[in-house]
Amino acid sequence: GQQVMQIPQYQHVQEGEDFTTYCNSSTTLSNIQWYKQRPGGHPVFLIQLVKSGEVKKQKRLTFQFGEAKKNSSLHITATQTTDVGTYFCAGRENFGNEKLTFGTGTRLTIIP
Amino acid sequence: DVKVTQSSRYLVKRTGEKVFLECVQDMDHENMFWYRQDPGLGLRLIYFSYDVKMKEKGDIPEGYSVSREKKERFSLILESASTNQTSMYLCASRVTGVYTGELFFGEGSRLTVL
Repeated sequence: GQQVMQIPQYQHVQEGEDFTTYCNSSTTLSNIQWYKQRPGGHPVFLIQLVKSGEVKKQKRLTFQFGEAKKNSSLHITATQTTDVGTYFCAGRENFGNEKLTFGTGTRLTIIP
Repeated sequence: DVKVTQSSRYLVKRTGEKVFLECVQDMDHENMFWYRQDPGLGLRLIYFSYDVKMKEKGDIPEGYSVSREKKERFSLILESASTNQTSMYLCASRVTGVYTGELFFGEGSRLTVL
């Protein structure tokens, strides 16, 4: 079945440094979503990417969807303490399938 | 405001007990999901439902069953709880469509099986 891996599993950065997490699927995706889970909280939707090669920005966050629609990345510029949490990607394999498969997540901690 | 409510935040059960986890959404969403979250494994899909009385197995359905008698309610049932089912359980819902709508999650139910 479909597998979605994320690297790294953990990332510790100094406040102000950049951060990137990578998501790789074993199969081609119809679309990919990104979620953020604060410590002690539940996952909250950030964004969805649909088109091959798509790039979207939300303030300091940049999301990319690979040309082959099998990988994606999230890049945060100049991290802040509010960025702390675990970031998950979630991919849908095809339009006829409602199943969303989550990646293993990257846990980001910020050193003030 | 969008809301997904899980009945219990924390439960402690004994091995062999039957466990019910309830989830209610107030957004009239067609799709509902049950995930379990374990450190290093991310969120793994147990079951999902795309309509009332409809259900589909996810990636790890063994040891679980579900019930969706009404559109707003999706229940996860552990017929005979085991220690390896100790986990955080997350319920989510979304609208159906060609392009996937965002998932709205509940606060989670942390289950400990002794």
